[in-house]
Amino acid sequence: IAGITQAPTSQILAAGRRMTLRCTQDMRHNAMYWYRQDLGLGLRLIHYSNTAGTTGKGEVPDGYSVSRANTDDFPLTLASAVPSQTSVYFCASSDGEAPYNEQFFGPGTRLTVL
Amino acid sequence: GQNIDQPTEMTATEGAIVQINCTYQTSGFNGLFWYQQHAGEAPTFLSYNVLDGLEEKGRFSSFLSRSKGYSYLLLKELQMKDSASYLCAVTDSNYQLIWGAGTKLIIKP
Repeated sequence: IAGITQAPTSQILAAGRRMTLRCTQDMRHNAMYWYRQDLGLGLRLIHYSNTAGTTGKGEVPDGYSVSRANTDDFPLTLASAVPSQTSVYFCASSDGEAPYNEQFFGPGTRLTVL
Repeated sequence: GQNIDQPTEMTATEGAIVQINCTYQTSGFNGLFWYQQHAGEAPTFLSYNVLDGLEEKGRFSSFLSRSKGYSYLLLKELQMKDSASYLCAVTDSNYQLIWGAGTKLIIKP
């Protein structure tokens, strides 16, 4: 059982390029999340999905888009990358059974935008 | 606004006890989580408190006071492998997790 996988592990990207970060979970969790983590700022929610077919905006959604075509996959797309999007990106999932919503995290993608 | 405060960094000695505090102001409260994150790795679950009081799990304990908006994580018999960041997170009224910036714990021999 893999849990949550993310790809790529790391990426250096030129500003203005389009990039999709992939996230797949095999736990059949309903809810999935994308966070970015920057030094001193902690985890900030970008987008989330409570169930397949639905998505919502988090704290810092600008410049990012997501889709949730099925339960397992939750890709994050940067339409036109900018240097301020340099960060570590974590995908997470939970079974969505409120109020206990323990989140399980993928290994992260380290993205550098030059 | 919503806010979670934790000390940025703490230092402790191997074998000792350390307490990491977390205070929160959120729109609603549906539980508080503590996660551990080693450098370069993903956060992993440590504990969950939804009622007032102390939850003990081996060398780690977590305490919650909802009236004070306060929690702490207590680590006993510190080991070098406990060097990590410890993240406090609160589930708000929309059942979203609000994260603190984390406390970096440095363990010295």
